[in-house]
Amino acid sequence: QKEVEQDPGPLSVPEGAIVSLNCTYSNSAFQYFMWYRQYSRKGPELLMYTYSSGNKEDGRFTAQVDKSSKYISLFIRDSQPSDSATYLCAMSRGYGQNFVFGPGTRLSVLP
Amino acid sequence: DVKVTQSSRYLVKRTGEKVFLECVQDMDHENMFWYRQDPGLGLRLIYFSYDVKMKEKGDIPEGYSVSREKKERFSLILESASTNQTSMYLCASSSLAGGPSYEQFFGPGTRLTVL
Repeated sequence: QKEVEQDPGPLSVPEGAIVSLNCTYSNSAFQYFMWYRQYSRKGPELLMYTYSSGNKEDGRFTAQVDKSSKYISLFIRDSQPSDSATYLCAMSRGYGQNFVFGPGTRLSVLP
Repeated sequence: DVKVTQSSRYLVKRTGEKVFLECVQDMDHENMFWYRQDPGLGLRLIYFSYDVKMKEKGDIPEGYSVSREKKERFSLILESASTNQTSMYLCASSSLAGGPSYEQFFGPGTRLTVL
């Protein structure tokens, strides 16, 4: 079993839809949870991070962590064509610890 | 503006060749990382470095080595390239003072094809 699992997609949605992206993980020691966005032919860039369980909101993006279920989610409201990218979840056991990345979900938002 | 640059965007090499991938960051970051990215497998850590002349193995170091002679530069070396090393290679850097997000800044990647 992989340490971090993520549905690879591709996921296609119409503009304006609410998008839900998810990761599951097996290591209960993970404390920091991150979402990276990667546009085609670019390196990943940090979108959001959360520490331990709970929600975090930033504009149209909401990150949720449920440590009891070992499940994290990223919600995108009012999705835009510019949100079309691959979304990678990442997690680490602690501050300064290395990341473990999910394989990424490719999202297409159709105008 | 934060910047991580990689020496080549695309590289084609022959089996058995020695390959050098260079990464330079201009943010005075202590930490630098080399990942490879393959479909369905995500990013896998090859090597990382927390300081000049210091290196640590990541999850898949076999067939690779690294060099960090200056703080801003981190090189990945394939001593004898093989076809299973065909991949996208991503360099990243981060600062120990980056706060709890421990954000890693990535370069654009080098797509290496080994024939």
